[in-house]
Amino acid sequence: GDSVTQMEGPVTLSEEAFLTINCTYTATGYPSLFWYVQYPGEGLQLLLKATKADDKGSNKGFEATYRKETTSFHLEKGSVQVSDSAVYFCALSNYYGGSQGNLIFGKGTKLSVKP
Amino acid sequence: DAGVIQSPRHEVTEMGQEVTLRCKPISGHDYLFWYRQTMMRGLELLIYFNNNVPIDDSGMPEDRFSAKMPNASFSTLKIQPSEPRDSAVYFCASSRPGLNSGEQFFGPGTRLTVL
Repeated sequence: GDSVTQMEGPVTLSEEAFLTINCTYTATGYPSLFWYVQYPGEGLQLLLKATKADDKGSNKGFEATYRKETTSFHLEKGSVQVSDSAVYFCALSNYYGGSQGNLIFGKGTKLSVKP
Repeated sequence: DAGVIQSPRHEVTEMGQEVTLRCKPISGHDYLFWYRQTMMRGLELLIYFNNNVPIDDSGMPEDRFSAKMPNASFSTLKIQPSEPRDSAVYFCASSRPGLNSGEQFFGPGTRLTVL
């Protein structure tokens, strides 16, 4: 079945450092890919998404490119801020494939940014 | 749009009591999901509905848990009897995957504490 694997945390960075959180997936067909973010004490919210190969999703300085050849969707940010401290979840949707209407989530990566 | 609405936001109860969590999805969304999140087990999908019909309840931990969706604008998750190990944050989410590539919109969650 469909699955998502993301790097385990926690990840601790200093402010203005470069961030990469790796995410790879297994799926049949042509899934859509997402990054969700969960700030402390809140629900999950969509950070960015890409719906087809080579698409780049971007938001709030974060970027991720849908790479079908490497089945990856790595999250990057050039300069993190303390306010980026949160848990980040990679996810896929395969509506016309194996997972139908469901989202398949990775286990989440906790990011802590120190001033 | 008001987003996904959950109530109550916090619930404290004693072991053995019945607990009912409520969710109002975004109007027009035809999928509804219930998740549970704990430190130990992370984010778990409990059950999801399509057009008010349960599609997959394999994540429901045991018979003490039940979920209903009597109409397109309301769902409940009931725990009877509750146990301390049910303490968690419960999230409801809704989506319309045929329209928005499977993106799910999450509610703020209900923090349940069973004493």
